[in-house]
Amino acid sequence: DAGVIQSPRHEVTEMGQEVTLRCKPISGHNSLFWYRQTMMRGLELLIYFNNNVPIDDSGMPEDRFSAKMPNASFSTLKIQPSEPRDSAVYFCASSLSQGAASWSPNQPQHFGDGTRLSIL
Amino acid sequence: AQSVAQPEDQVNVAEGNPLTVKCTYSVSGNPYLFWYVQYPNRGLQFLLKYITGDNLVKGSYGFEAEFNKSQTSFHLKKPSALVSDSALYFCAVRDPQAGTALIFGKGTTLSVSS
Repeated sequence: DAGVIQSPRHEVTEMGQEVTLRCKPISGHNSLFWYRQTMMRGLELLIYFNNNVPIDDSGMPEDRFSAKMPNASFSTLKIQPSEPRDSAVYFCASSLSQGAASWSPNQPQHFGDGTRLSIL
Repeated sequence: AQSVAQPEDQVNVAEGNPLTVKCTYSVSGNPYLFWYVQYPNRGLQFLLKYITGDNLVKGSYGFEAEFNKSQTSFHLKKPSALVSDSALYFCAVRDPQAGTALIFGKGTTLSVSS
């Protein structure tokens, strides 16, 4: 079975440019999570969706960050304009939720292999 | 507020010896606890979870973890370490009453020498 698919795997761009990260969750999963991983701050939850609806975006660092989930099989995380401090590995994860407004804790999250983002 | 702590940045153990990776947590209610493992250039992989029931939880690759409510701990253990167990391990917690997503620890690097 295909796991969570993220693209691109690596992105290098200059500051000020728009960056779009993409995620395809596991088919049938209805909860989707975006995380950021850095050496300094570890793994941080940015936002999560349940049934395509954003439930908690309190981890989104600034208005420069936005995330969408137009359908059950696709999500994007956009940074505009990008800055060097946005450099990190960004992970997408999905899981199966049994609730309307929250994910189910007894269902593990399945992670993609991440996008390594470097802003010069 | 919920939180999770992994007090050791790195754990070193010889192959064949038992290993323990420590995790303590803080939540207002009964916690849901998880362990994940991350190999280089890969995403996190689920190892095991504690939701309710038996305090000793068995997971993938021979790992197990013991939930200790009085010590608010959920240490990851394996009786006999393998070199291939070398990776970054994350403990995570969720307070089911808080309605939030998982909170991850900083991670512990496990290094198993041959």
